[in-house]
Amino acid sequence: ENVLTQSPGTLSLSPGERATLSCRASQRIASNFLAWYQQKPGQAPRLLISGASTRAVGVSDRFSGSGSGTDFTLTISRLEPEDFAVYYCQQYGGSPFYTFGQGTKLEIK
Amino acid sequence: LQLQESGPGLVKPSETLSLTCIVSVGSISNTDYYWAWIRQSPGKGLEWIGSIYHSGKTFYNPSLQRRVVMSIDTSKGQFSLRVTSVTAADTAVYFCASSLGDHFDYWGQGARVAVSS
Repeated sequence: ENVLTQSPGTLSLSPGERATLSCRASQRIASNFLAWYQQKPGQAPRLLISGASTRAVGVSDRFSGSGSGTDFTLTISRLEPEDFAVYYCQQYGGSPFYTFGQGTKLEIK
Repeated sequence: LQLQESGPGLVKPSETLSLTCIVSVGSISNTDYYWAWIRQSPGKGLEWIGSIYHSGKTFYNPSLQRRVVMSIDTSKGQFSLRVTSVTAADTAVYFCASSLGDHFDYWGQGARVAVSS
């Protein structure tokens, strides 16, 4: 199983600041099949990024993804109040086909 | 594309959990999509349960494969999940979702299922 480890567990920042979230895989992720999701309380996860760096339709350009192999990053350039949520990474490949990280909680400082 | 889960919110231990996901009209026969079940619990986080193609071909998480069956009814625009011999560890919010292969682009709102006597 390809285990995804997200860091930090909690990130405390202020609106307007830049957020950098990390996702590290225990095995190389082929073809950069790495996605990022945002989840707010009581809601389903929302796709932000697929293919490590491709923004989903309707996602603000303040969100960007980068990385390859085993190390990936989600960057939020200027935090807005609505960005404070939990963020998950997810990989495709291997067995099981899909695994998720444990999440990073982005909270208002 | 819209998805909506339905099913009982409470299941007794050792019984079978059954959920259905209704997909917006016309979408379920789209050959680009796979249809997935994912669950979320405080203990295990987000966990992929399995996926099904419009043809009925299924792919399951090996950790759940012995107890999971997925099916699809394209005429009704829905797909279903059955988990047998449930325990408290199966208590979770269950999401249905669409997938183009490597990620999940649309999700249902989630169905909360508790396993308790």
